[in-house]
Amino acid sequence: QSVLTQPPSVSAAPGQKVTISCSGSSSNIGKTVVSWYQQVPGTAPKLLIYENNKRPSGVPDRFSGSKSGTSATLGITGLQTGDEADYYCKTWDTSLSAWVFGGGTKLTVL
Amino acid sequence: QLQLQESGSSQVKPSETLSLTCTVSGGSISSRGHYWAWIRQPPGKGLEWIGTIYYSGTIDYNASLKSRVTMSVDTSKDQFSLKLTSVTAADTAVYYCARLIGLSLSFDCWGQGTLVTVSS
Repeated sequence: QSVLTQPPSVSAAPGQKVTISCSGSSSNIGKTVVSWYQQVPGTAPKLLIYENNKRPSGVPDRFSGSKSGTSATLGITGLQTGDEADYYCKTWDTSLSAWVFGGGTKLTVL
Repeated sequence: QLQLQESGSSQVKPSETLSLTCTVSGGSISSRGHYWAWIRQPPGKGLEWIGTIYYSGTIDYNASLKSRVTMSVDTSKDQFSLKLTSVTAADTAVYYCARLIGLSLSFDCWGQGTLVTVSS
């Protein structure tokens, strides 16, 4: 079990909006920044959001991130079938002295 | 454009040592502020950080694997390596190498990953 908790799955229809939560504690999310990764099955993870809410060049503004206290949220608007993937949050845990990932959330675009 | 490529043994016997190398191209492994990491993913499961190394040799390991892991860097070849001893079936995973940007604390570039199977 990860110290970062994500819902195992979320789903929504094309064009709709979805949010994915990442719940942590004062020793991880409450202490430092969060990044999010998208992993299409069979491929390597790809950086989606860094420093809580910044998007790397090339990532559409349909993807957004936020952080409040010990939780972070990834938002995706205008869902497309190509967004179907696993999404992971990640941060540094000061108690474990380790980079920790959430358990991952499978997004299905119905 | 930066690229990372894993290479090494794809099958390892139980109790033996897993060895992988990551070759960095399109950039220098000695770039300041950039760290180099190994991350693994067992089949059907999530991501687990193994360790991170800086070009100077500074290393952080996941405490859960620390007793079995050794990472090293060869700046002359722009490569860094992973050795994991006394492997078991639980070490079967896709192993990724990745770059960690120190400023943004994010893994911004990943290798394609290599599946290592522990089996007799």
